[in-house]
Amino acid sequence: GENVEQHPSTLSVQEGDSAVIKCTYSDSASNYFPWYKQELGKRPQLIIDIRSNVGEKKDQRIAVTLNKTAKHFSLHITETQPEDSAVYFCAASPYFGNEKLTFGTGTRLTIIP
Amino acid sequence: EAGVAQSPRYKIIEKRQSVAFWCNPISGHATLYWYQQILGQGPKLLIQFQNNGVVDDSQLPKDRFSAERLKGVDSTLKIQPAKLEDSAVYLCASSLSLREQYFGPGTRLTVT
Repeated sequence: GENVEQHPSTLSVQEGDSAVIKCTYSDSASNYFPWYKQELGKRPQLIIDIRSNVGEKKDQRIAVTLNKTAKHFSLHITETQPEDSAVYFCAASPYFGNEKLTFGTGTRLTIIP
Repeated sequence: EAGVAQSPRYKIIEKRQSVAFWCNPISGHATLYWYQQILGQGPKLLIQFQNNGVVDDSQLPKDRFSAERLKGVDSTLKIQPAKLEDSAVYLCASSLSLREQYFGPGTRLTVT
């Protein structure tokens, strides 16, 4: 089955700086890669996703890049703000949609004011 | 739009006891998922329903866990008997097919 590794497990950045979280996956058949944000005690929420036919996707301060050859994808947050503090999870699916997701172990991001 | 509802929010039981969790998905969402999230880890898919049929239950420990979605709407997840390692947050999510999964608030289970 699919195995998703996520690094780093914790990340602290100064407010206004950029943060990068990286994930690797094992199953070359994976085609869909969402990122979820989970604030303390709250439910995971989808923040951005990318499909295998695209190399990069951007939404305001958030971007995701995908390298299918190397089987890794990354989340980039620019101009970080205190409300970006949360745990971020990457995931992978063999389908082009939200099915059979395998999640990474999470990255706790702390924005230092 | 109402979100995914789950109950109870918290449950404490002793090992070998039984427990059941309930989930009400967003109206119209045919796909329903149950995840187990152990502290410090990502959610792990236990079972996926499409309407009232099981699509994937490959990671459900069937010797102790069971789930049903009889009328294609609400779902229940049961653990019988519980073990210490079952302590986790149990998340329910729903979606329109191949679209974003919306998570419920979860049920935090502590097995002592």
